[in-house]
Amino acid sequence: AQTVTQSQPEMSVQEAETVTLSCTYDTSENNYYLFWYKQPPSRQMILVIRQEAYKQQNATENRFSVNFQKAAKSFSLKISDSQLGDTAMYFCAFMDQETSGSRLTFGEGTQLTVNP
Amino acid sequence: GAGVSQSPSNKVTEKGKDVELRCDPISGHTALYWYRQSLGQGLEFLIYFQGNSAPDKSGLPSDRFSAERTGGSVSTLTIQRTQQEDSAVYLCASSQRQGGGYGYTFGSGTRLTVV
Repeated sequence: AQTVTQSQPEMSVQEAETVTLSCTYDTSENNYYLFWYKQPPSRQMILVIRQEAYKQQNATENRFSVNFQKAAKSFSLKISDSQLGDTAMYFCAFMDQETSGSRLTFGEGTQLTVNP
Repeated sequence: GAGVSQSPSNKVTEKGKDVELRCDPISGHTALYWYRQSLGQGLEFLIYFQGNSAPDKSGLPSDRFSAERTGGSVSTLTIQRTQQEDSAVYLCASSQRQGGGYGYTFGSGTRLTVV
C-alpha cells in the first residue's frame, strides 16, 4: 500500500517570503501522479499543482513550484512571494492508477500560516 | 453544475440516529469519491464509484456505512446508528474519468456532529 508522509504539522512564514513544504511517499510503482491540495477554512480542497512521475521537469503554477525527486520519493512544494491568502492546510497526495483505480492517498497535512 | 455540491453543509444528530449525506457531482464526471476528514487529520478514503462499475467499498469503516449513486450522478452516503466517533467532515469529489492522473474537484463537505 502507498503511504504519504508530511513531517511538518505546522509552518509559518512572513508575507512576501518563500516557504517550502515537505512530502515523502512510499510506493513500488513506476507510473503515478502527485498532487498538492490547499484547504482554507472554507473546507473546500483546491488543487494547487500536479506532477506526472514520468516527467523529469518540475511542475510550476505561478508562485507555486515543486521539487520532485523520484529516486528519493520526495515531492516538496515551494511557495514564493507568500500572500496572506495562502494561509491554509496543505495536503500532499499520491495517485497510482494501475493498482487502485484513481484513488488519492493523502498525507496528514501541513498547516501554513502567512504572517503580515 | 459548476462545482461539486454537498448537502447539508452541517448536520448535528443524536447518537443512534441515521443520517444521509448528499453529493451532486460536476455534470459529466464519471468518477465520484467519498472521503472522511476527522479533526486535525488527513483524508480517509471511504468509497469510489466509476461509471456503471461496481463501487470500490474497501474504505468503509463498518457495515453501518453505505453509499449509492443513482443514474451515474447524485450520490448519497448513509450512516446508520451513528456513533460519536463518526463525527467528522465528509468530503465528496468527482473526476472526469479514471486514469490520466486527473485531480479531483471537491465539494465543501458536510460537517457531521454526533451528540
